[in-house]
Amino acid sequence: DTEVTQTPKHLVMGMTNKKSLKCEQHMGHRAMYWYKQKAKKPPELMFVYSYEKLSINESVPSRFSPECPNSSLLNLHLHALQPEDSALYLCASSQVFPGQTDTQYFGPGTRLTVL
Amino acid sequence: QQPVQSPQAVILREGEDAVINCSSSKALYSVHWYRQKHGEAPVFLMILLKGGEQKGHEKISASFNEKKQQSSLYLTASQLSYSGTYFCGTEMRASGTYKYIFGTGTRLKVLA
Repeated sequence: DTEVTQTPKHLVMGMTNKKSLKCEQHMGHRAMYWYKQKAKKPPELMFVYSYEKLSINESVPSRFSPECPNSSLLNLHLHALQPEDSALYLCASSQVFPGQTDTQYFGPGTRLTVL
Repeated sequence: QQPVQSPQAVILREGEDAVINCSSSKALYSVHWYRQKHGEAPVFLMILLKGGEQKGHEKISASFNEKKQQSSLYLTASQLSYSGTYFCGTEMRASGTYKYIFGTGTRLKVLA
């Protein structure tokens, strides 16, 4: 099974809401990633977890809060977002981080709209 | 700091070849290539490590010139399924810091 699943597929939220994005993989990977992708732009790395510990935070605003409860699950908690945070949020996983020859497997993404 | 890809867009007929370049101003540890179709997640194609490595995947191959900080993706005898946006993902490791940055992207369309 080489699948990364993400829920929900679509999310619309107001600027005062609190919501969470969920990502799951069952490939035994120990590295998981969050990316943000605006329309017609490349993905931008937000966070990397390695062995359930936060390894990389690319200076992401605190209104985005990642959480890795176990090696298969990655959450992204959202609070007080701005309309410019509307984007496709992609989760990915790889065997280890940083790896030598690791493939990153991407989930289908959550399309987030902030009103 | 974002690697620049060229061309920005290209249109091919089925069976034609294409080359997509990825150029960085920073030293690269490795380069990954992805294809992303509209509305879908990026799909990993291949990874190249420093050392002038060249890899192949069916009719798609790539090279990495570490000294020039450049990588090229070669698509031969293109098929309709090759249509999409191609990104290079560049890995930079220096002095204990780590960066992973995608290139600007190349939109490729293959026509029948």
